[in-house]
This record gives sequence, structure tokens and C-alpha cells, in this order.
Amino acid sequence: AQSVTQLDSQVPVFEEAPVELRCNYSSSVSVYLFWYVQYPNQGLQLLLKYLSGSTLVESINGFEAEFNKSQTSFHLRKPSVHISDTAEYFCAVLGQGAQKLVFGQGTRLTINP
Amino acid sequence: ETGVTQTPRHLVMGMTNKKSLKCEQHLGHNAMYWYKQSAKKPLELMFVYNFKEQTENNSVPSRFSPECPNSSHLFLHLHTLQPEDSALYLCASSQTQVGGRAGELFFGEGSRLTVL
Repeated sequence: AQSVTQLDSQVPVFEEAPVELRCNYSSSVSVYLFWYVQYPNQGLQLLLKYLSGSTLVESINGFEAEFNKSQTSFHLRKPSVHISDTAEYFCAVLGQGAQKLVFGQGTRLTINP
Repeated sequence: ETGVTQTPRHLVMGMTNKKSLKCEQHLGHNAMYWYKQSAKKPLELMFVYNFKEQTENNSVPSRFSPECPNSSHLFLHLHTLQPEDSALYLCASSQTQVGGRAGELFFGEGSRLTVL
């Protein structure tokens, strides 16, 4: 079985500041890793994913995440946030051979002007 | 527009009512999911259908009854719900339920359910 821990339930930052949302997972098998974003009054959208290959993956809106197998982490970063990044961010893990995506509890990112 | 449409977006019902939530996906996917999202709780997987067959029932009470008539449509029938069932119900689909693609979910905007 897999599990995901998002260490921060809320992260307030100022506009144009850098941000890191932390995600750690546990699994006895190899994993696929995902970050989803939920904007206010919407469903979740896939932001980026790690399936294989390069451990650094990027989204189209400037976010990136790095798969660190030794630290079992998949932290999400952005060097400069915008007001429009205000949302809840969910880290998720899928074990190879598993059929169920396991979500973390979410981190609410609030951007202050 | 994610290609997954949920109706209704908002529903208020009494504990003795019977209602249904509908989900339709236009992506040609083969797997469909119901999730429950409650305040201050992790996203809860309720049911999974793969090629119209139920492959997961995550110990959901029988007052929730899913139906998947084809790979494009998914229903959640609701009967004698409790106030604690009030939540956002999210439908999702994926191309398949195996491999990394099983993690690439496309969500609808959700149906906000309030049980009085």
C-alpha cells in the first residue's frame, strides 16, 4: 500500500515570492507521482506528473517538481508566484501494479499582494 | 473544460429523498471514478468502474448506489442520506485503470450536495 503526506495544510506567500509545497510518500514498490491543483469552485486538474525518466518535471505555468527516491519526496516549487496560483494543491502516488491513486490531504496556497 | 461534465452542480435534499448525480465523459476513457471531498478531510475514493465493471467499492454505505451503463456515463444514486454525507462529489475518468495512465485523472467540476 502507498501513503502520501503533505507536510503543510496552508502556505501563505507574497506575490512574486518563491514557494515550495512539500510532499513525502511511502511505498514498497516503485511509484508514479502526481500533483493536482484545485482552483476555487472547480474540480481537480493534473498539474504535472512523474512516470519515468528525468526526475525533474515541469508544468506549463512555471511549476516544477523533483522526484527524490532516496528521500521519498516529490516537492512542488515555483520561483515566482502569481495571484492566479491561489488554489489547493494535492500530491498523489500510484504504486506500480496498483490500481488506486492515493491523494495527500492537500495544501492550500494563498497569495497575498 | 475538462471533458467531464457533472450534473447537477448543486443539490439540496432531505434525508428521505431519492436523487441521482450524473457524470458524462467525452474523452473516450475506459475507467470512471466517484470521489467524495469533505472539508478538512482527504479526498475519498468511493467507486471505480473499468470497462463498465465495478472494480472498487471502498466500503461505501449502501445508501450510495453507483451505476455505469456504458464507459461514458456514470451515476450515483442517493437514498436516505445523512447530514454528514454533505460534501462535494467529484467524478473522474482515466484512459485506463492500469499503469501510469491510471493516475492521470480528468475531473468534473463536482456536484455540491447538502443533506438537510
